[in-house]
Amino acid sequence: NAGVTQTPKFQVLKTGQSMTLQCAQDMNHEYMSWYRQDPGMGLRLIHYSVGAGITDQGEVPNGYNVSRSTTEDFPLRLLSAAPSQTSVYFCASSYGGQGKETFFGQGTRLTVV
Amino acid sequence: GQQVMQIPQYQHVQEGEDFTTYCNSSTTLSNIQWYKQRPGGHPVFLIQLVKSGEVKKQKRLTFQFGEAKKNSSLHITATQTTDVGTYFCAGPGAGGYQKVTFGIGTKLQVIP
Repeated sequence: NAGVTQTPKFQVLKTGQSMTLQCAQDMNHEYMSWYRQDPGMGLRLIHYSVGAGITDQGEVPNGYNVSRSTTEDFPLRLLSAAPSQTSVYFCASSYGGQGKETFFGQGTRLTVV
Repeated sequence: GQQVMQIPQYQHVQEGEDFTTYCNSSTTLSNIQWYKQRPGGHPVFLIQLVKSGEVKKQKRLTFQFGEAKKNSSLHITATQTTDVGTYFCAGPGAGGYQKVTFGIGTKLQVIP
């Protein structure tokens, strides 16, 4: 099993550009989520999904879109990149339900200039 | 805002010293999880606590869940350089267990 796979690992965008961060998991997990990690801020939830076709907002959803057409994939779209979106992004998945271990991808380091 | 508060944010210890990080919530938590993130890496699950007053050990790591299920701690005995990293607690966020909320993390530096 590959676990949670994120691409790309690094990305530099210009302000106003759009892009999609890819995330795939091969563990048949129901629950997938996206976090951003900034110095001194910990991990903040952007969007999450409890199953195919179902998504919801987390703590910091503005400027990001998600969709969940399959169980395996949960892409994160930046509509119009801003310097404030410079961060490390982690995709995560779990079986769902209370207290299930969360598995993280390797992360995407995004810089918006 | 964060459902769980974590302190301290940073800790430097001499190798061999003990280390403790604390996690506090204003509401009762159904469970709490602990993760470790090595520098440049991603968070990795360490353990989950569910029961009031629960204590679990993993070698030199001791995890506790408070009686009221509102606080938790991670204690490392005799730190080693391999313990370097950021330790996060995580619990169900406001709005349901799906919204797992992480503490701000405690960054541990171990001085050889």
